[in-house]
Amino acid sequence: GDSVTQMEGPVTLSEEAFLTINCTYTATGYPSLFWYVQYPGEGLQLLLKATKADDKGSNKGFEATYRKETTSFHLEKGSVQVSDSAVYFCALILYNFNKFYFGSGTKLNVKP
Amino acid sequence: EADIYQTPRYLVIGTGKKITLECSQTMGHDKMYWYQQDPGMELHLIHYSYGVNSTEKGDLSSESTVSRIRTEHFPLTLESARPSHTSQYLCASSGRTDTQYFGPGTRLTVL
Repeated sequence: GDSVTQMEGPVTLSEEAFLTINCTYTATGYPSLFWYVQYPGEGLQLLLKATKADDKGSNKGFEATYRKETTSFHLEKGSVQVSDSAVYFCALILYNFNKFYFGSGTKLNVKP
Repeated sequence: EADIYQTPRYLVIGTGKKITLECSQTMGHDKMYWYQQDPGMELHLIHYSYGVNSTEKGDLSSESTVSRIRTEHFPLTLESARPSHTSQYLCASSGRTDTQYFGPGTRLTVL
């Protein structure tokens, strides 16, 4: 079945370190891929998305590239800040737009 | 900026009480969703709706019920709350694009 797998957390980094959060997916069709971020006490916010193979989504210094050959959509940021501390969710939706599949979330802690 | 609202943000109630969690969106979205988020952060779809008078149960069995009488409104009701219902409840909506927009959530504690 369709699913999303992302690396387990928590991930703890020092400020200005490089971030990678791995995400792989299984899908029967051609999904759109997303990264959402959840700050403490809030709902999920869309961080970035990509709708087809080789597309790169980017926002606020975060990037992720849709890799069809490896069925991956890894999240990266070159230099994290304390304010990036949050939970990050990878997700996919298939072409009929009716159902999201979320990963289990990865908590990121950035220390000053 | 998504306009989707949830009330209350926090609710502490006693066992056996009936409660309704409110969710409203002003974007005219046809599709709306309720998720339950456990302390381990994972999201579980409990209800969804594709339009007025359309409601379906999600992947996680829930004792809650929902209604969709108006496009913008998707309330969730628990007839008799129990401590096992303690959780974070997130409402979301989506329109013609493939993006889901989330409300701020309601944190429910049942004593």
